[in-house]
Amino acid sequence: AQTVTQSQPEMSVQEAETVTLSCTYDTSESDYYLFWYKQPPSRQMILVIRQEAYKQQNATENRFSVNFQKAAKSFSLKISDSQLGDAAMYFCAYRSASSGDKLTFGTGTRLAVRP
Amino acid sequence: KAGVTQTPRYLIKTRGQQVTLSCSPISGHRSVSWYQQTPGQGLQFLFEYFSETQRNKGNFPGRFSGRQFSNSRSEMNVSTLELGDSALYLCASSEAGYEKLFFGSGTQLSVL
Repeated sequence: AQTVTQSQPEMSVQEAETVTLSCTYDTSESDYYLFWYKQPPSRQMILVIRQEAYKQQNATENRFSVNFQKAAKSFSLKISDSQLGDAAMYFCAYRSASSGDKLTFGTGTRLAVRP
Repeated sequence: KAGVTQTPRYLIKTRGQQVTLSCSPISGHRSVSWYQQTPGQGLQFLFEYFSETQRNKGNFPGRFSGRQFSNSRSEMNVSTLELGDSALYLCASSEAGYEKLFFGSGTQLSVL
């Protein structure tokens, strides 16, 4: 079974600074997808960024980028120029290419942004 | 386009009762999946429906069931509620599975 581990329960960053959230996963599959989701107090899960395992190039979405290390099974999220609106729970998630919309989530990292 | 809509937002039930939660996916989306979120167990996959057929099922007891209608709207039902069923239930939809997943704001279920 696949597992996703987020070892940082809480993180804090100064506004305008950069922060990196860690995620490791375990799988025996070669074809899969990795995601970072943000859950603000409104509770709605918002997709931040997505990475296909077959792509070597790291995904980037504006201020958000990932460091995908397939051999190490590591998938970290870097948030640049942090903003107050980035404060939320961040979840790393794994999806097998053969399992439809079944996501396996990590336990989450609560990010605080200091003004 | 309207997002994923879940109703109701909040629900209070007592042990032994049953409950039905509703989810309307984004227009054009045919895949709907359900997740349970609790402080202790985190986010766990319940099941996924695609074109009215259950495609995937998580590791939950048979008290948890779901269905999908021809318009892609989905319902999940929990029978004989237990205290441990108190959770945020999230619904998500995608165009055809294997695509980006969009979540609703959830239904917060409290079992007393």
